[in-house]
Amino acid sequence: KAGVTQTPRYLIKTRGQQVTLSCSPISGHRSVSWYQQTPGQGLQFLFEYFSETQRNKGNFPGRFSGRQFSNSRSEMNVSTLELGDSALYLCASSLGGTTGGEQYFGPGTRLTVT
Amino acid sequence: AQSVTQPDIHITVSEGASLELRCNYSYGATPYLFWYVQSPGQGLQLLLKYFSGDTLVQGIKGFEAEFKRSQSSFNLRKPSVHWSDAAEYFCAVGVKTSYDKVIFGPGTSLSVIP
Repeated sequence: KAGVTQTPRYLIKTRGQQVTLSCSPISGHRSVSWYQQTPGQGLQFLFEYFSETQRNKGNFPGRFSGRQFSNSRSEMNVSTLELGDSALYLCASSLGGTTGGEQYFGPGTRLTVT
Repeated sequence: AQSVTQPDIHITVSEGASLELRCNYSYGATPYLFWYVQSPGQGLQLLLKYFSGDTLVQGIKGFEAEFKRSQSSFNLRKPSVHWSDAAEYFCAVGVKTSYDKVIFGPGTSLSVIP
C-alpha cells in the first residue's frame, strides 16, 4: 500500500504571497490531519478533516485553511505569508472514527518564506 | 486537560548502550499511546502503539515500551542503540472522543556517539 504523499516537498515563497500544499492519504484512510513543525514551537496541530468536514482545529489564525475532497485528498492553504510561517508542514492520515489516532505521516513540505 | 510531557529535551548515548526515553501523560481514562520517530528532514514514523492488553509492547527497530498506569508513563526502551537510531522521538496520546484526537509531546532528541 502506498504511503502518505505530500507535494511539493520544498517551496520558497515571498512574504505576502499565498501557498497551497497538497496531501494524498493512504488508500482507505478518511481522516487527514495537518501539523506545523518548527524548531521553536515543536509539532503543532493545525486541523483535521474527515469525510470532507473539518472536525477539529488548532489555535492558528484564519490565514491557515484547508479542505478535503471526496477522494480524501486534502489541501492546506496559507494566505498572506509571514516570515514566521517558515516551517515543515506535515500531513498525517488515519482510518478515522474512534481508532484512537494511529496516524501515518507523509514526508512533509518544507516551506521557506523570504 | 490532556497533556504529554517528555522530561528530556536531549539525550546522548554511546553506540551499544541501552536507552530509555521517558514519557508521562495526563488523561482521565486509559489512553491510546504511541511513540514516533523522526529522522532529520523527514516525517514521523510510528514505532509502536499501546491500545490495551499486555502493558509491554514491542515495536519496530528493536524498540519496546511499557505502559505503567500508576505512574501515567509510557517509557521507550532499547537494549542496544545503533548509530542509525539518532533522531527525534515523540510520545503521543490518543484521546477517545467522537473523533481522533492526538496530543504530541515536545520530543526528545537522541544523539549517538560512535
